[in-house]
Amino acid sequence: DAGVIQSPRHEVTEMGQEVTLRCKPISGHNSLFWYRQTMMRGLELLIYFNNNVPIDDSGMPEDRFSAKMPNASFSTLKIQPSEPRDSAVYFCASSLVAGPNQPQHFGDGTRLSIL
Amino acid sequence: SQQGEEDPQALSIQEGENATMNCSYKTSINNLQWYRQNSGRGLVHLILIRSNEREKHSGRLRVTLDTSKKSSSLLITASRAADTASYFCATDARNTDKLIFGTGTRLQVFP
Repeated sequence: DAGVIQSPRHEVTEMGQEVTLRCKPISGHNSLFWYRQTMMRGLELLIYFNNNVPIDDSGMPEDRFSAKMPNASFSTLKIQPSEPRDSAVYFCASSLVAGPNQPQHFGDGTRLSIL
Repeated sequence: SQQGEEDPQALSIQEGENATMNCSYKTSINNLQWYRQNSGRGLVHLILIRSNEREKHSGRLRVTLDTSKKSSSLLITASRAADTASYFCATDARNTDKLIFGTGTRLQVFP
């Protein structure tokens, strides 16, 4: 079975540029999560969706960050304009249904470097 | 803010030895999960233990939960080089669907 698929795996861009990260959750999963991982702050939840609807975006650091889920099989995380402090590994995860008792399935992440 | 704190931060052992990692959390929980992360990869779910459970096994993994002490431990028996990874606990955030991940323990198993 295909797992969570993220693209690109690596992105290097200059500050000020728009960055778009993409995620395809596991088919049939109804919840999708975006995380950011850094050495300093660990793994932080940015936003999550249930049935394509954003439920909690309190972890989104600034208005420069936005996320969409136009359908059950695709989500994007955009940063515009990007800044060097946005450099991190961004993970997408999905779970079958909503609930903290559900295992989350993670993609292999996008390693983002903003110069 | 992080709910879970893993201890130790790093652990180095020889193949065949047991590895024990601990997780402490601050507020009451309904569930606690453990995940593994290999270098350059995403997290992989290992095991979930509910607040009314004290111990759970899965293969070479044994997880305990002490809600009175707000702590959990993950024991990997007869470790292998392939167990080299970071291990994270994750707890539920009250009345939400979110998980809050701890700081992780980096385990190195030498062949």
